[in-house]
Amino acid sequence: AQKITQTQPGMFVQEKEAVTLDCTYDTSDPSYGLFWYKQPSSGEMIFLIYQGSYDQQNATEGRYSLNFQKARKSANLVISASQLGDSAMYFCAMRESNNNAGNMLTFGGGTRLMVKP
Amino acid sequence: KAGVTQTPRYLIKTRGQQVTLSCSPISGHRSVSWYQQTPGQGLQFLFEYFSETQRNKGNFPGRFSGRQFSNSRSEMNVSTLELGDSALYLCASSLPRGTGGRSPLHFGNGTRLTVT
Repeated sequence: AQKITQTQPGMFVQEKEAVTLDCTYDTSDPSYGLFWYKQPSSGEMIFLIYQGSYDQQNATEGRYSLNFQKARKSANLVISASQLGDSAMYFCAMRESNNNAGNMLTFGGGTRLMVKP
Repeated sequence: KAGVTQTPRYLIKTRGQQVTLSCSPISGHRSVSWYQQTPGQGLQFLFEYFSETQRNKGNFPGRFSGRQFSNSRSEMNVSTLELGDSALYLCASSLPRGTGGRSPLHFGNGTRLTVT
C-alpha cells in the first residue's frame, strides 16, 4: 500500500492566488514527521515545512502553511499569494520514528504546480 | 554554511561499467542518505549512513553500495550498470534523528546519471 499519496499530478494557479496541494499518508507509527519539499527544474530538493505528529498547531513558514488533519491522515500544503517562482514539483514525505526508520523518508509521487501570470 | 555538495553533476556511462558518486554533507551533519529519482518510480530510498555505519537500506540490488568516511563524506557505487539505472541520484544530510525529529533532510543538487 502507498504510504504517501499525492492525488494531484498537476495543478495550475493564478499568480497571487492561494493554492492547496493534497497529501494523505498511512502509518501505524504513533510518532512521525511530515515534510514538504519543492523541486524546481534544476533538480535540487528544497525543504519547505515540517509537521510533527504530536504538534498541537499547524506548521507555518512564511507563505507556506500546513493543514494537518491527523484523524484523516492528511497534511495538505497551502501556498498563499502564489508567485511565478513557485512553479515546481512539490513532494510530501514522511519519516516514521520506529527504530528501523532512521532518517529514511518515504515520498509521494509529487504534484507539479504551474503558476500562471 | 555550505550546503550539501554532490559531484559530479552529470555522468554518462555505458552498460556494464561502474560508477562512483560523491557527497559532502553540511558541516556537523553525520547522517547521509541517498535517494534515486526516476520518472517511473519516483523518489526511492537507497541507504543511510551514520558514523560510518550503514543504518538502513532500501530495496535495491547488491550492485548498489555505499560507504561513509570519518569526515562524514559519503560515496555510493553502482557496479555493472544497467539502462534502468539512469536516474537523478540525490544525497541528503541531516542531524541524527535522535536530536529532535524536526531536523529536516537537506538535499544536494544531485548527480544525473545516464547509462547508454
